Amino acid sequence: EPEVTQTPSHQVTQMGQEVILRCVPISNHLYFYWYRQILGQKVEFLVSFYNNEISEKSEIFDDQFSVERPDGSNFTLKIRSTKLEDSAMYFCASQGGGVLTSYQETQYFGPGTRLLVL
Amino acid sequence: GENVEQHPSTLSVQEGDSAVIKCTYSDSASNYFPWYKQELGKGPQLIIDIRSNVGEKKDQRIAVTLNKTAKHFSLHITETQPEDSAVYFCAASRNDYKLSFGAGTTVTVRA
Repeated sequence: EPEVTQTPSHQVTQMGQEVILRCVPISNHLYFYWYRQILGQKVEFLVSFYNNEISEKSEIFDDQFSVERPDGSNFTLKIRSTKLEDSAMYFCASQGGGVLTSYQETQYFGPGTRLLVL
Repeated sequence: GENVEQHPSTLSVQEGDSAVIKCTYSDSASNYFPWYKQELGKGPQLIIDIRSNVGEKKDQRIAVTLNKTAKHFSLHITETQPEDSAVYFCAASRNDYKLSFGAGTTVTVRA
């Protein structure tokens, strides 16, 4: 069964450093998402991406965050200057191929990247 | 925006008994309600979902009910087994696709 993969599984970084989290979505999917889960809190939506551009972003997704799909397969989340409060589990999800009708299609989640900012 | 509340936060059941998890949502425009199961070290996996044009859906030992008027939906697991032990998340979405999650329920099935 196709699955979403994410690398690395764990990342430790110093405050102020840049990190790039990588995701390989399911190959024929068109919609991509990043979510994060701070320890003990809800899974929160960060950003959605479709047709090579951001379709929606949350308040959390400020200028320190960026996403891109550089080569048609990988989907990356970059945090330019990490802060302590960026420590969280980051999940990538992919969804849908073709034209979406009135039916919502399943979002498939990757295993996550645990980011620790020191 | 959408706010999803989930209860209980932890649930311990004897193997073979039923487990029920309840969620409420705030946005009456939400029309898609998935349930995800997360095992240790893995990402959330969809186990069942329901759309707003349906009141109930069942898949083997798992069922979900939706009450649009009251804005709540529930997950029912019957004949629980040790492998049902995990964290379960409810979520809600409008046609803009982003999911708003509940806080999760840690289910422990005692052998």
